[in-house]
Amino acid sequence: EIVMTQSPLSLPVTPGEPASISCRSSQSLLLSNGHNYLDWYLQKPGQSPQLLIFLGSIRASGVPDRFSGTGSGTDFTLKISRVEAEDVGVYYCMQALQSPPTFGQGSKLEIK
Amino acid sequence: EVQLVESGGNLVQPGGSLRLSCAASGFTFSKFWMHWFRQAPGKGPTWVSRINSDGTAIDYADFVKGRFTISRDNSNNTLYLQMNSLKVEDTAVYYCAFKDDRGGSWGQGTQVTVSS
Repeated sequence: EIVMTQSPLSLPVTPGEPASISCRSSQSLLLSNGHNYLDWYLQKPGQSPQLLIFLGSIRASGVPDRFSGTGSGTDFTLKISRVEAEDVGVYYCMQALQSPPTFGQGSKLEIK
Repeated sequence: EVQLVESGGNLVQPGGSLRLSCAASGFTFSKFWMHWFRQAPGKGPTWVSRINSDGTAIDYADFVKGRFTISRDNSNNTLYLQMNSLKVEDTAVYYCAFKDDRGGSWGQGTQVTVSS
């Protein structure tokens, strides 16, 4: 199965400052159709995971534009342009290319 | 509004069975693959199983093969997970989920606790 590795695992951020999370996959997630099968999720405290980004860079409906996803192949990044208090939680990347879908370890964002 | 509502979670003894349900609304249920995920206490989510739109293609994680069965009823917009031979390590919150071209959704989850 494809192994997903995230960094950092802990991310203390001052409100208004940018934040960035890296995700690497053990195999390329780029398909011949040009899509990268990589999702980003945020799990806020006490809630279920919510999809932020799919196909590597497409924001899900209702996701603020301060969230962006970049990368291709095996290296991906989730960027938050200006962190807000409501962004606290654990961020996961997940590969959707191959069964079983697999997640990174999670990156916990907290407010300084 | 898209809604996925799981039910059926409970406390059960090792070796026991449970049937989880996921009631879907707000989207055309019969058009989409549906998934079950789970999340053990203090851990990240793990994928469990998936089923295609008409139930003819099914896939399981290795750790549930032969014990869990996924199914769906498109006439009632409901997804199921039959869980047999439950183990202590199956203790988790179980979520149903789907993805569409706008992103998709996860339910709020149902707690399954396997303990003697």
